[in-house]
Amino acid sequence: EDQVTQSPEALRLQEGESSSLNCSYTVSGLRGLFWYRQDPGKGPEFLFTLYSAGEEKEKERLKATLTKKESFLHITAPKPEDSATYLCAPTSGTYKYIFGTGTRLKVLA
Amino acid sequence: NAGVTQTPKFQVLKTGQSMTLQCAQDMNHEYMSWYRQDPGMGLRLIHYSVGAGITDQGEVPNGYNVSRSTTEDFPLRLLSAAPSQTSVYFCASTRDRVGTGELFFGEGSRLTVL
Repeated sequence: EDQVTQSPEALRLQEGESSSLNCSYTVSGLRGLFWYRQDPGKGPEFLFTLYSAGEEKEKERLKATLTKKESFLHITAPKPEDSATYLCAPTSGTYKYIFGTGTRLKVLA
Repeated sequence: NAGVTQTPKFQVLKTGQSMTLQCAQDMNHEYMSWYRQDPGMGLRLIHYSVGAGITDQGEVPNGYNVSRSTTEDFPLRLLSAAPSQTSVYFCASTRDRVGTGELFFGEGSRLTVL
């Protein structure tokens, strides 16, 4: 059975304190892994897609990486505006996206 | 370009009532879907559509009905609301045609069933 687990559930960082969020997955025939950001009361917003192990993508203070079993979202020198819930969603294709429960990130000024 | 628009944003129903959540997209996406989001659980797929006239069930379809008469609209109907359907509902679409593309989400509809 396809599964995804995100850790930690919640993370509090001081502004400028770098850290990483983890997404562990078991998916038969991975076709892609997505990261989304979700602000309170809003819908998820697309950040990255990773397609193969070893791939990395960056956007401002965020960098996503992918291995055969995990993906990491690295946050470098975060700012309070990076506070949000971050969701990962691997897919085996044909629109079968498996969403994790997310990591709630709070960055303190 | 409004993206994915959902209405209403908030709704309170009594058990047994019916209602329709509306979803419209202006990006000419063939694929549209409905998810529900509950505390401690990931987004779960209710129904989806790969084009006008084509719909299929997702992971949690019971108690919900959909139709797709146009490319733009994909309404979700609750036939007889139950407290277990209290949730936040998201409509999502993608331009991708092979099922591996990023989803564009609406802002959500928060439903409470008393």
